[in-house]
Amino acid sequence: DAKTTQPPSMDCAEGRAANLPCNHSTISGNEYVYWYRQIHSQGPQYIIHGLKNNETNEMASLIITEDRKSSTLILPHATLRDTAVYYCIVRVGSYSGGYQKVTFGTGTKLQVIP
Amino acid sequence: SAVISQKPSRDICQRGTSLTIQCQVDSQVTMMFWYRQQPGQSLTLIATANQGSEATYESGFVIDKFPISRPNLTFSTLTVSNMSPEDSSIYLCSVSTGWSGGYTFGSGTRLTVV
Repeated sequence: DAKTTQPPSMDCAEGRAANLPCNHSTISGNEYVYWYRQIHSQGPQYIIHGLKNNETNEMASLIITEDRKSSTLILPHATLRDTAVYYCIVRVGSYSGGYQKVTFGTGTKLQVIP
Repeated sequence: SAVISQKPSRDICQRGTSLTIQCQVDSQVTMMFWYRQQPGQSLTLIATANQGSEATYESGFVIDKFPISRPNLTFSTLTVSNMSPEDSSIYLCSVSTGWSGGYTFGSGTRLTVV
């Protein structure tokens, strides 16, 4: 799995957009970008993933640069419940990729402030 | 996606004893992954458990300390043996969701060794 780099912590005002960056300069052509978050004392929760196009779901948007060397997770209207550690992971995205282990970096601790 | 039931959710154990953690999945999965999360740290993969074969351990983890069973495609156990306070961590199991390489995690077992 490609190595990712994330800022260790970020603050965001409640109701504002939270933009969490991730660098993955060694990403391979068949590797997807995945985002997970871990709310205190819970198991990691899947948020979103993408290959090269921008993606949006009910939780967040994922913006991937054209060269795919970095991405940004956007929480459009952060709430206090979004306070968590956010992990950016890159890995092969096929079904067979499910047989591969996932390596977690240190993630970004997002604190949403009232 | 798969639903994982992990038990116990927490336990306080005496040093020198062993604890077995169980993970039950509501669907058949080929691979199950066991992670450790030490206080304030990211997730570290302990081993990958494939049904019908011995688990594959990551560097720094050995079978004598963390024996794993995988008797069928929906169940696995991780035992933390001869515990010491340094084993105090959250232990999590995970399975692939099957689609595009995503993963589902159990809610974790918070272990405190005294």
